[in-house]
Amino acid sequence: TQLLEQSPQFLSIQEGENLTVYCNSSSVFSSLQWYRQEPGEGPVLLVTVVTGGEVKKLKRLTFQFGDARKDSSLHITAAQPGDTGLYLCAGNQAGTALIFGKGTTLSVSS
Amino acid sequence: NAGVTQTPKFQVLKTGQSMTLQCAQDMNHEYMSWYRQDPGMGLRLIHYSVGAGITDQGEVPNGYNVSRSTTEDFPLRLLSAAPSQTSVYFCASSYGRPSGNTIYFGEGSWLTVV
Repeated sequence: TQLLEQSPQFLSIQEGENLTVYCNSSSVFSSLQWYRQEPGEGPVLLVTVVTGGEVKKLKRLTFQFGDARKDSSLHITAAQPGDTGLYLCAGNQAGTALIFGKGTTLSVSS
Repeated sequence: NAGVTQTPKFQVLKTGQSMTLQCAQDMNHEYMSWYRQDPGMGLRLIHYSVGAGITDQGEVPNGYNVSRSTTEDFPLRLLSAAPSQTSVYFCASSYGRPSGNTIYFGEGSWLTVV
């Protein structure tokens, strides 16, 4: 059972476009994290959201945690080729382990 | 700072062979874990440890053993390698529980079982 569903699975856009990646679940999470992974490397934490309805901004990236703490979104404004990578959401329920979604592969071409 | 160090980076095994993937962190982190990443499957938790001498199973523990004799090291052992264990393995660590702390990942170990 996949507790965290990410969509879309693949996204290919042109430089300058906006995009949104979604992370959905039927379960409540105490916190949710977003990671970015480049080929040949491990995931790198982008942000952690904890409070329902919370919005965090990281330059051109905006992260939102749903009011019920079951879903989250990542919005990128004016995407750049450097944003290319695999974006993973990960949720925490029991406090001792993270559950990862399958990821969204983003390709931004110039 | 070394962070989380995994060795080897690449390994080819024959079916039935055993091996150990090494993981070491120099950040004095209590929490360490092993994940495997397969195409289209995301990261799946194999085993984790909340401190020296304490380990627990994750989502996909079968075929793997771990031990945590020191805070720094968390090796992952494949007892009898199978082609289904072909994957990329990531070791991760954090100061405390991952819900409230930054998790640091190693660079990965690419394992092929033929």
